[in-house]
Amino acid sequence: EDQVTQSPEALRLQEGESSSLNCSYTVSGLRGLFWYRQDPGKGPEFLFTLYSAGEEKEKERLKATLTKKESFLHITAPKPEDSATYLCAVRIVSGYALNFGKGTSLLVTP
Amino acid sequence: DTGVSQNPRHKITKRGQNVTFRCDPISEHNRLYWYRQTLGQGPEFLTYFQNEAQLEKSRLLSDRFSAERPKGSFSTLEIQRTEQGDSAMYLCASSTTGTGEDEQFFGPGTRLTVL
Repeated sequence: EDQVTQSPEALRLQEGESSSLNCSYTVSGLRGLFWYRQDPGKGPEFLFTLYSAGEEKEKERLKATLTKKESFLHITAPKPEDSATYLCAVRIVSGYALNFGKGTSLLVTP
Repeated sequence: DTGVSQNPRHKITKRGQNVTFRCDPISEHNRLYWYRQTLGQGPEFLTYFQNEAQLEKSRLLSDRFSAERPKGSFSTLEIQRTEQGDSAMYLCASSTTGTGEDEQFFGPGTRLTVL
């Protein structure tokens, strides 16, 4: 069965303290891996799509990478406004649904 | 440039009542998805439309749930005989075909509370 596991569940960082979030996946035929950001009470906001091992995408302080078993979301010198839940999702070749992990709740303190 | 919109934003109902939610996708998007999210969990897929055709349904979508997209534009999700376990955030997403087709853009959600 397809599985997406995110770690840690929660992460607290000081402003400027870089770190990484992990997304491990087990799927039968990966079409794409997706990262979203979700603020409390709002819908997920699209960040990145990754398709193949070795691929990297960057946006401001965020960089997403992909291997055959996992993806990392690296956050460089985070700011308090980066505080949110970060969701990882996969889509298989034969379907249209996104299968989400439970997310990592990130808190960045000044 | 408007994103995905959902109405109502909040709904409180009593157990056993029927509720209906509406989703208006991004105007040029012909693919539409419904998800459900409970506290501390990621969104769970419910169903998928391409234009007016419902092409994929999750096992989560019991016979009390029905979704429609009659003209390939907006969509409705109806829950009949609501139960307390139906309390959740109901999210709608849309995507295009062709370039960028894998990127699903989400609306703000409808939060349902069943008393």
